[in-house]
Amino acid sequence: AQSVTQPDIHITVSEGASLELRCNYSYGATPYLFWYVQSPGQGLQLLLKYFSGDTLVQGIKGFEAEFKRSQSSFNLRKPSVHWSDAAEYFCAVRPRGSTLGRLYFGRGTQLTVWP
Amino acid sequence: GAVVSQHPSWVICKSGTSVKIECRSLDFQATTMFWYRQFPKQSLMLMATSNEGSKATYEQGVEKDKFLINHASLTLSTLTVTSAHPEDSSFYICSARDSIGAQGLWGEKLFFGSGTQLSVL
Repeated sequence: AQSVTQPDIHITVSEGASLELRCNYSYGATPYLFWYVQSPGQGLQLLLKYFSGDTLVQGIKGFEAEFKRSQSSFNLRKPSVHWSDAAEYFCAVRPRGSTLGRLYFGRGTQLTVWP
Repeated sequence: GAVVSQHPSWVICKSGTSVKIECRSLDFQATTMFWYRQFPKQSLMLMATSNEGSKATYEQGVEKDKFLINHASLTLSTLTVTSAHPEDSSFYICSARDSIGAQGLWGEKLFFGSGTQLSVL
């Protein structure tokens, strides 16, 4: 079955520590891959996306993600977390050939940052 | 930047009543809009895709007679939950795609509302 899995429901890190949020997908052909962030009361904001090419993708706010085909993963990373990064993070996919904007999401990972 | 306004942010209603949620694109024309729902600790699940002036396309398992979607203009889509029941309590989010004008990051041109928390008593 097609799915997007974010295995961690909640992650807590100290400010300044590194961060990695996991995402795995299960699709026949590698879909387009996205990471979104949602802060309370705000709409989802796109952090980065992968379509093809370089497997290490740079995004906004200092985030990056690495696509690993062999592991069907697209993990989000940040070398040094800031308190303002506390939010909910969603991995999403768009199957190849599907309508632009038609996304399928993981369940989200809530990030808490300790001062 | 492009903004999608979704209202209301939260709504409480009695079982059996209908609730309308609005999603407006404020500074671009949204030729396509998407509606999602999210249960606690679960994924955002795509409910339907609507194109302006056309009938919505519903995902498998979504009752089209219960979740009425109207996309009569390029800036407004509405989701009406008819005869709501407690099991319809959920977080509903819209997204809008600008296929003509403003570009989002990397040209994806997809913008999200801030969501509506529906609680049915």
